[in-house]
Amino acid sequence: DGGITQSPKYLFRKEGQNVTLSCEQNLNHDAMYWYRQDPGQGLRLIYYSQIVNDFQKGDIAEGYSVSREKKESFPLTVTSAQKNPTAFYLCASSTHPGLAGPYNEQFFGPGTRLTVL
Amino acid sequence: GENVEQHPSTLSVQEGDSAVIKCTYSDSASNYFPWYKQELGKRPQLIIDIRSNVGEKKDQRIAVTLNKTAKHFSLHITETQPEDSAVYFCAALGESGSARQLTFGSGTQLTVLP
Repeated sequence: DGGITQSPKYLFRKEGQNVTLSCEQNLNHDAMYWYRQDPGQGLRLIYYSQIVNDFQKGDIAEGYSVSREKKESFPLTVTSAQKNPTAFYLCASSTHPGLAGPYNEQFFGPGTRLTVL
Repeated sequence: GENVEQHPSTLSVQEGDSAVIKCTYSDSASNYFPWYKQELGKRPQLIIDIRSNVGEKKDQRIAVTLNKTAKHFSLHITETQPEDSAVYFCAALGESGSARQLTFGSGTQLTVLP
């Protein structure tokens, strides 16, 4: 399970506050991803990055922002514009995005559970 | 973009019986279909995958089948054991915006009853 870490494990936020979730990987992977997991809705893609200094919106990017200044790091900021941020957030990485087969195996971090008070 | 539907959402089987989870996808250009297992409180992990040029793949008690014409693929678990209890997600690698990305199904909660 080593190689990709997320912090904190639990995070509580007051309404109106921005919070930043950390994701770090030492797998030398080019691509990194952020997913949101809600009960019964599977994994929904928030943002992804295929290379340093580049990132793309996923299916549910509204109210979130990211940066990719280093290959190893892909932090996610949940802004006050996100109307329903309480969820489990998973970060993942893969070697080469877009290629079929083992190069696209995504390795997941342990997740951060965010609760809005 | 790609759309993946997964059924059933919950599945209970007796220990030793088989379990089948089915997924359909919409993008005919999708060419890679992995399955992930997420145990309670843990991260998802890849358990098996299949490429579009293959119809079936087996790995011990688990197998995946793919029907490209019908655009559906299935996970088969034989001789189920209590440790198979988990949430299983299918996914398809297809077009999403400007890049090819994995789109996940909504998950199946499998419970193996002793």
